[in-house]
Amino acid sequence: AQSVAQPEDQVNVAEGNPLTVKCTYSVSGNPYLFWYVQYPNRGLQFLLKYITGDNLVKGSYGFEAEFNKSQTSFHLKKPSALVSDSALYFCAVKANQAGTALIFGKGTTLSVSS
Amino acid sequence: EPEVTQTPSHQVTQMGQEVILRCVPISNHLYFYWYRQILGQKVEFLVSFYNNEISEKSEIFDDQFSVERPDGSNFTLKIRSTKLEDSAMYFCASSGGTIYGYTFGSGTRLTVV
Repeated sequence: AQSVAQPEDQVNVAEGNPLTVKCTYSVSGNPYLFWYVQYPNRGLQFLLKYITGDNLVKGSYGFEAEFNKSQTSFHLKKPSALVSDSALYFCAVKANQAGTALIFGKGTTLSVSS
Repeated sequence: EPEVTQTPSHQVTQMGQEVILRCVPISNHLYFYWYRQILGQKVEFLVSFYNNEISEKSEIFDDQFSVERPDGSNFTLKIRSTKLEDSAMYFCASSGGTIYGYTFGSGTRLTVV
């Protein structure tokens, strides 16, 4: 069965500093990996995905993530954090099979201070 | 940009009542999903639906729950005999296929009193 671990409940960074939100996964076969963001009282908003190809994927709002197969990780990064990036971030994994569901991690709250 | 639409945005129901949560997925998508989130915590998978049948369901999705695509556009989640612990935000999502991300609706906040 597939699973996702987000080891940090909260990440605190100062505005302008780089940020990393960690994610590791477990899945049979090749994974499809996703990051979603949730602002307060809002739905889940797609940020980026890794399906195949380049290990470094770029997404919305300047975010990027690096797929590392040997470490089974897919950490979310941004070179320079903004206060408006403060939100709840979810990593998700899907097995490479039709019909299998996207499974989410427990989420990491990112807090960017000015 | 195409959206997944969910109605109502907020529903309050008495314990033991039945509720139906409605979703209109993106029109050319083939895969449909329901998830729930309790108090801004983990997003939990409930069920996936493809080709007019359930393709996968979680342990949460017991006999209390059912899904239906009654008219080719709506996708509904029915919860029979609601319990207090069913209070959560319920998200509908749709996808065009295996390699695509899911597009989520803005959710229905269900409060069982």
